[in-house]
Amino acid sequence: GESVGLHLPTLSVQEGDNSIINCAYSNSASDYFIWYKQESGKGPQFIIDIRSNMDKRQGQRVTVLLNKTVKHLSLQIAATQPGDSAVYFCAEKKDTGRRALTFGSGTRLQVQP
Amino acid sequence: DTGVSQDPRHKITKRGQNVTFRCDPISEHNRLYWYRQTLGQGPEFLTYFQNEAQLEKSRLLSDRFSAERPKGSFSTLEIQRTEQGDSAMYLCASSLAGRGPDTEAFFGQGTRLTVV
Repeated sequence: GESVGLHLPTLSVQEGDNSIINCAYSNSASDYFIWYKQESGKGPQFIIDIRSNMDKRQGQRVTVLLNKTVKHLSLQIAATQPGDSAVYFCAEKKDTGRRALTFGSGTRLQVQP
Repeated sequence: DTGVSQDPRHKITKRGQNVTFRCDPISEHNRLYWYRQTLGQGPEFLTYFQNEAQLEKSRLLSDRFSAERPKGSFSTLEIQRTEQGDSAMYLCASSLAGRGPDTEAFFGQGTRLTVV
């Protein structure tokens, strides 16, 4: 069935380094791909999204890359900070029909001081 | 606090009991979603409302689960005859349809249910 999955369950980086979190998806019919951040004890928080007809989108310290050929999505975080420590989920969504987000299982980012 | 509010934050119940959770979305948001999240997993969609209309239900939403949004504002999620497998975090999210792709859902902090 449709699924959005992640390659690595845990990623550990040094403070100040760049982080790259990867995600593989199987539903090529999705219209949007989205990254959410979830800190301990909190609900997921929207970070950035990308429409399926784009291959790159930049935000503040974050960049999302979409490779539709290999159905791969990545989130790059520049100059990672301790406050970036959290679980990151990729999700996908369609413009029509099903309105809900379909989430993957998450990658834990640990930022070492 | 103008974010999504959920109550209670934690609920411990005995197997077989009924429980009800409440969600107050961001006031102008017309879409409201319920998700369930187990440890180490991403949220799984349960059901969604646009205003007071329940427009979609996941197959995860068995007949023991019922959700309402009677006036298009707050919502309740009731689980009847709880089972240990119902233990999870129940997340509510809201969004405003009609502005862009509606990919940014605002989540509450969730209600953690433990069935003993």
